[in-house]
Amino acid sequence: GESVGLHLPTLSVQEGDNSIINCAYSNSASDYFIWYKQESGKGPQFIIDIRSNMDKRQGQRVTVLLNKTVKHLSLQIAATQPGDSAVYFCAEITGTASKLTFGTGTRLQVTL
Amino acid sequence: NAGVTQTPKFRVLKTGQSMTLLCAQDMNHEYMYWYRQDPGMGLRLIHYSVGEGTTAKGEVPDGYNVSRLKKQNFLLGLESAAPSQTSVYFCASSRPVLVGYGYTFGSGTRLTVV
Repeated sequence: GESVGLHLPTLSVQEGDNSIINCAYSNSASDYFIWYKQESGKGPQFIIDIRSNMDKRQGQRVTVLLNKTVKHLSLQIAATQPGDSAVYFCAEITGTASKLTFGTGTRLQVTL
Repeated sequence: NAGVTQTPKFRVLKTGQSMTLLCAQDMNHEYMYWYRQDPGMGLRLIHYSVGEGTTAKGEVPDGYNVSRLKKQNFLLGLESAAPSQTSVYFCASSRPVLVGYGYTFGSGTRLTVV
């Protein structure tokens, strides 16, 4: 069935560098996407979202890019910090009732 | 603190036993969800509810039942636990319109079935 997936299972970056986490989605009818951060032993935490009528949205140190032509999402984290170490998931809204479909996740490791 | 509270946080069951996981939210959200997360994977939707007294099946509903008798509570039941149900269970709630903040998730219940 339709699903959301990620290209890289683990990403290692140095503190202060920029991080880019990628996500491919397959449901062309999805109109809303969310990035979540999950730290060990905790539930997912909302980072940023984007609607399909946008191609870019910025938050504090984070930017989400959406390329509908190739069904690709990316999360950019500027000046990555040790506290950014976590697993990052992209998710898309499918159908009614705001049901989320999650990808498998990318682990971000920040080295000093 | 406002948010989503799950109980218990940890549980070990023997195969065939039953249990109920409780989710409570104090944000007056209409929608509530139960997800499971297996190691190294994303969350998968078990059941969800768009309002008090209503429930619906998600992606992986088999072996689970739910009830939403009160708006603030969403219960997940396992009638006869199986080892395949070993997982971390997350409850979440949301308003009908998600833009700007997404869901609010609980901190999870780690369930082991032996």
